[in-house]
Amino acid sequence: GAVVSQHPSWVICKSGTSVKIECRSLDFQATTMFWYRQFPKQSLMLMATSNEGSKATYEQGVEKDKFLINHASLTLSTLTVTSAHPEDSSFYICSARVGVEEGGPQETQYFGPGTRLLVL
Amino acid sequence: GQNIDQPTEMTATEGAIVQINCTYQTSGFNGLFWYQQHAGEAPTFLSYNVLDGLEEKGRFSSFLSRSKGYSYLLLKELQMKDSASYLCAVMDSNYQLIWGAGTKLIIKP
Repeated sequence: GAVVSQHPSWVICKSGTSVKIECRSLDFQATTMFWYRQFPKQSLMLMATSNEGSKATYEQGVEKDKFLINHASLTLSTLTVTSAHPEDSSFYICSARVGVEEGGPQETQYFGPGTRLLVL
Repeated sequence: GQNIDQPTEMTATEGAIVQINCTYQTSGFNGLFWYQQHAGEAPTFLSYNVLDGLEEKGRFSSFLSRSKGYSYLLLKELQMKDSASYLCAVMDSNYQLIWGAGTKLIIKP
């Protein structure tokens, strides 16, 4: 159990375009999902916490108008990178928090496979 | 401030045992997690400790001492596929995960 999928796995786009990344919990409901960004050889950086039915909570320094997050259902959160630029090229990873009712260790985060974004 | 410290890189030999240490200073504590991350892939969950002591799971074990703000991940019978980064993360009083920078483990034949 506790499988998280992410789509697409690879995106190459032109500068100025918008890119949407989907994160789905496949076999459980996730009231909270997280979006991370990871640059090469660096640790995970939390971008925002996505709560179902409410606005996302963004970390300091992350532009909420540039990284739009929508958590419309208990199994789906989306991250849209608007007007992408080359400096947005990175590895974007989502995770979903498993509650006690799902049988996992409380508050464990399970990660999607990640989306590699390259902006030309 | 909050911080997690773990070695940047470690090298070990196939078949041997390696211990990866993690020390932390956080505002509150609601558990410590270890994740494995292979190059180019997302992290995968390895272990969770919230009480002091050793949790064993196959070749991997994780230890926690809350009074010392210390944990270690012990990997036995190392295999080449264990070459990866190992991330230590602590959940603080707000249930936010504080991540270490990761320890890159290199396994040599």
